[in-house]
Amino acid sequence: SQKIEQNSEALNIQEGKTATLTCNYTNYSPAYLQWYRQDPGRGPVFLLLIRENEKEKRKERLKVTFDTTLKQSLFHITASQPADSATYLCALDLSGGYNKLIFGAGTRLAVHP
Amino acid sequence: EAQVTQNPRYLITVTGKKLTVTCSQNMNHEYMSWYRQDPGLGLRQIYYSMNVEVTDKGDVPEGYKVSRKEKRNFPLILESPSPNQTSLYFCASTSSGSHNEQFFGPGTRLTVL
Repeated sequence: SQKIEQNSEALNIQEGKTATLTCNYTNYSPAYLQWYRQDPGRGPVFLLLIRENEKEKRKERLKVTFDTTLKQSLFHITASQPADSATYLCALDLSGGYNKLIFGAGTRLAVHP
Repeated sequence: EAQVTQNPRYLITVTGKKLTVTCSQNMNHEYMSWYRQDPGLGLRQIYYSMNVEVTDKGDVPEGYKVSRKEKRNFPLILESPSPNQTSLYFCASTSSGSHNEQFFGPGTRLTVL
């Protein structure tokens, strides 16, 4: 069955540094991969989407890479700030764009002043 | 304001008492989904809908029903709730633009005693 893994342990970094989060998957070739941010007690908020034919996508301080050979996506936050502290989720589309998604359990990021 | 609304936000009920969680979106989105979120397991898709009267099972559909009679509404029905359905539930709708961005509701925390 499809499996998607994110760092289960929290990531603690110093303000101003780059945070790098990992999403690994098996047994499928997704049409696209998404990253979401979730704050405690709230619904996830969409950040970025990267398609299978794209290697990298950027949005302000965020950067996502997608290696379909390694079956891995990396999510980077540059110049991190305490306000970036949250849980970050990756999600794969399993239906060729028809929105059947599988989510990773998420990685909690804590940015310290 | 573009949003997904869910009601109720909190619900405590007893085993076997039928309940419905409502979900409504005002963005004219075609795709809608229901998820449950449990500690350590992340978000798991229960059902999704591609359009009015078109629904399909997600990863954990057992014990749930949905209907999509109108484009804006996608209620989740628990005919006979059990304690293992105690969870945090999220409804989401998806834009059909290039990002397939999912907009999540605020969540419904359900406790089944």
